[in-house]
Amino acid sequence: GENVEQHPSTLSVQEGDSAVIKCTYSDSASNYFPWYKQELGKGPQLIIDIRSNVGEKKDQRIAVTLNKTAKHFSLHITETQPEDSAVYFCAASLGAGGGADGLTFGKGTHLIIQP
Amino acid sequence: GAVVSQHPSWVICKSGTSVKIECRSLDFQATTMFWYRQFPKQSLMLMATSNEGSKATYEQGVEKDKFLINHASLTLSTLTVTSAHPEDSSFYICSARGAGERSYEQYFGPGTRLTVT
Repeated sequence: GENVEQHPSTLSVQEGDSAVIKCTYSDSASNYFPWYKQELGKGPQLIIDIRSNVGEKKDQRIAVTLNKTAKHFSLHITETQPEDSAVYFCAASLGAGGGADGLTFGKGTHLIIQP
Repeated sequence: GAVVSQHPSWVICKSGTSVKIECRSLDFQATTMFWYRQFPKQSLMLMATSNEGSKATYEQGVEKDKFLINHASLTLSTLTVTSAHPEDSSFYICSARGAGERSYEQYFGPGTRLTVT
């Protein structure tokens, strides 16, 4: 089955600086890579996603890049703000191809924005 | 749009009893819903895939007779933890897969904190 590795486990950055979180996956058939933000005691919130036919996607301060050859994808957050502090999870799946297409999650990154 | 609710948000039960958790897609129809479990400071682990009108598909290592899943309508899936034990205490989170152009996306509920005493 799919295995997703995520680094770092904890990331502390100064407010206004950029943050980068990296993930690798093992199953070359995976074609959908979402990123979720989870605050304490709450469910994960989808913040951005990318499909395998795209190399990069950007939404305001958040961007995701995908390298299918190397099987890794990254989350980039620019101009970080205190409200960005949370646990971020990357995930991979076979997409909406039917059958068992649940998400395989990385272990999470605790992002701390220092004021 | 794409709002998923769960009920209850937290529940405490005694060992040996059963607990039912509901997952609803509020503003869209979800033919597929997923159930995840998350232990403190850990990642989410997929337990099962719930398809409307058919039997759920369980991940390896998840006991289907202990975690009963019913997806009776396009907006409701339920997870029943039968004969709960303290080791079943966890954060249970459901998600619903979007429809049409959003069929790749999964929208998560707020989670249910289960504590078994």
